[in-house]
Amino acid sequence: RKEVEQDPGPFNVPEGATVAFNCTYSNSASQSFFWYRQDCRKEPKLLMSVYSSGNEDGRFTAQLNRASQYISLLIRDSKLSDSATYLCVVNRGGTASKLTFGTGTRLQVTL
Amino acid sequence: ETGVTQTPRHLVMGMTNKKSLKCEQHLGHNAMYWYKQSAKKPLELMFVYSLEERVENNSVPSRFSPECPNSSHLFLHLHTLQPEDSALYLCASSQDSRYEQYFGPGTRLTVT
Repeated sequence: RKEVEQDPGPFNVPEGATVAFNCTYSNSASQSFFWYRQDCRKEPKLLMSVYSSGNEDGRFTAQLNRASQYISLLIRDSKLSDSATYLCVVNRGGTASKLTFGTGTRLQVTL
Repeated sequence: ETGVTQTPRHLVMGMTNKKSLKCEQHLGHNAMYWYKQSAKKPLELMFVYSLEERVENNSVPSRFSPECPNSSHLFLHLHTLQPEDSALYLCASSQDSRYEQYFGPGTRLTVT
């Protein structure tokens, strides 16, 4: 089983739609979680951290379910500029702390 | 300049060449990373430096040799590469290994 798993998509949605991505992780000791966005042929950029209580940043909402070991990202009122690949990232923490990246979910927002 | 910078942005090299990739971070971070991203594959962590000490080497072939002279600079020295080494090489930094990482724009490497 992969450490971090995501549906690769693509998710094709019309402008204004709400879209949700899920991500599962295998290491129950994972300590911190992030969503990154990567545009084609560009570097990943931090979108938001994911906190246990859930957090929201404008049209974006991230949630963490430790019991089921999954993370979600909800995008409301999609814009054309939201088209990108969304990477789920998990930090296993401890002395061997490191980030593990999922393969990403491709989102295409259309007119 | 702010953030994480990388040079060169594009590099084409033959299999017998020697070249170096440079990364510089202006964020006051203590940890720096090299990643490889090939087409349609997830990011692969290559090396981790924390406080200028290499703390992780993910079974990377010896034709890739990292160097971290200080906490702001990271190099990746390349020699006798193979065509399958063609990829986007990304540098990142973080406050320490527990925190989110910030990436440079990457070097797109083509080995001919």
